Amino acid sequence: DTGVSQNPRHKITKRGQNVTFRCDPISEHNRLYWYRQTLGQGPEFLTYFQNEAQLEKSRLLSDRFSAERPKGSFSTLEIQRTEQGDSAMYLCASSLAGTEKLFFGSGTQLSVL
Amino acid sequence: DAKTTQPNSMESNEEEPVHLPCNHSTISGTDYIHWYRQLPSQGPEYVIHGLTSNVNNRMASLAIAEDRKSSTLILHRATLRDAAVYYCILVMYSGGGADGLTFGKGTHLIIQP
Repeated sequence: DTGVSQNPRHKITKRGQNVTFRCDPISEHNRLYWYRQTLGQGPEFLTYFQNEAQLEKSRLLSDRFSAERPKGSFSTLEIQRTEQGDSAMYLCASSLAGTEKLFFGSGTQLSVL
Repeated sequence: DAKTTQPNSMESNEEEPVHLPCNHSTISGTDYIHWYRQLPSQGPEYVIHGLTSNVNNRMASLAIAEDRKSSTLILHRATLRDAAVYYCILVMYSGGGADGLTFGKGTHLIIQP
């Protein structure tokens, strides 16, 4: 069990650019979650997948954000036309449906200049 | 998910027990009480969860009030590595496991050597 892996750990981009983050969940986990966390706040739910199906999306997920999990394994989160307000830590978590524990990665820290 | 109330911060001494309180007066009968913690520069980490009865595991104990409107996370002998933000979260199960977590701001636990 290598845990949830997120890449890159840090990303610095200019306003208006597109960025993509990757999450590799624990291999047997069929649920995958994306969260966003700003300084001093708890993580905020963005979206989650069961296998390749995206089952829920938060209102926080504007149309500039898109998440995919094409083969039910790894997932990508893309932010188009980044804004300074998108600067945050983006966290990925995975779990096995029917269990109660989420396992989180260490996150991708995005800075939009 | 129903709302929880936690103190913003608490301080304790190393090797002493720590009691972290959480109020959840609007809890429903199907809500589980989960605790996660987040160490600096890490994603959240599952600590413990329960429904009605007190629970123990290798990390902590969870004491749940008889009316379920409050709970306490107990660290029996705090170490410097327990310094983290602790989140108390109510989770409604949909039959397939947790659909995701709604984090508050949590309690910032400071451990003095």
